Amino acid sequence: AQSVAQPEDQVNVAEGNPLTVKCTYSVSGNPYLFWYVQYPNRGLQFLLKYITGDNLVKGSYGFEAEFNKSQTSFHLKKPSALVSDSALYFCAVRDVHYSSGATNKLIFGTGTLLAVQP
Amino acid sequence: NAGVTQTPKFRVLKTGQSMTLLCAQDMNHEYMYWYRQDPGMGLRLIHYSVGEGTTAKGEVPDGYNVSRLKKQNFLLGLESAAPSQTSVYFCASSYPGTGTLPQYFGPGTRLLVL
Repeated sequence: AQSVAQPEDQVNVAEGNPLTVKCTYSVSGNPYLFWYVQYPNRGLQFLLKYITGDNLVKGSYGFEAEFNKSQTSFHLKKPSALVSDSALYFCAVRDVHYSSGATNKLIFGTGTLLAVQP
Repeated sequence: NAGVTQTPKFRVLKTGQSMTLLCAQDMNHEYMYWYRQDPGMGLRLIHYSVGEGTTAKGEVPDGYNVSRLKKQNFLLGLESAAPSQTSVYFCASSYPGTGTLPQYFGPGTRLLVL
């Protein structure tokens, strides 16, 4: 079965320090991986994706993610955290078990709350 | 563009009542989705649609029905609400594809069932 795991419910980091939010996946075939961010009382916003190619993917707001096939991981990173980065972050993977055709369905992790202290 | 909008933003229901959540998108997306978000469980897909007039079940469809009569609208219905349906509901939409394209989310509807 396909799945995505976010092992940390919460990550705390001081402003200006680098941050990492972890994600591991389990899929059959090539993974299509996504990161989304949810600010308080808002919907999810797309940050970045890995489909193929360079293992380091750059996205919005200075975030990047590193795809590691051998470790089946797709960790989200930022060199210098901002207080405004505090939010809930979701990792997601394409769901390949669709009966017919393409659906763009996603399987989401449980989310990691990032708290950046000033 | 308004993007994806959801109506209402918040609702309180009594057990057994019915209601319809409306999702509208102005991006001409073919695909639309309804999710529920519960603490510690992430987002779970309720139903989805790959085009006007089509719907399909997701991961947690029981107790919900949907309709996609117009391309821009996707309705989620609760025929007889239960406390277990207390949640935050998100609608999303995307262009058609094979999983390479992101979904765009609405702001959510908070539903409390007493």
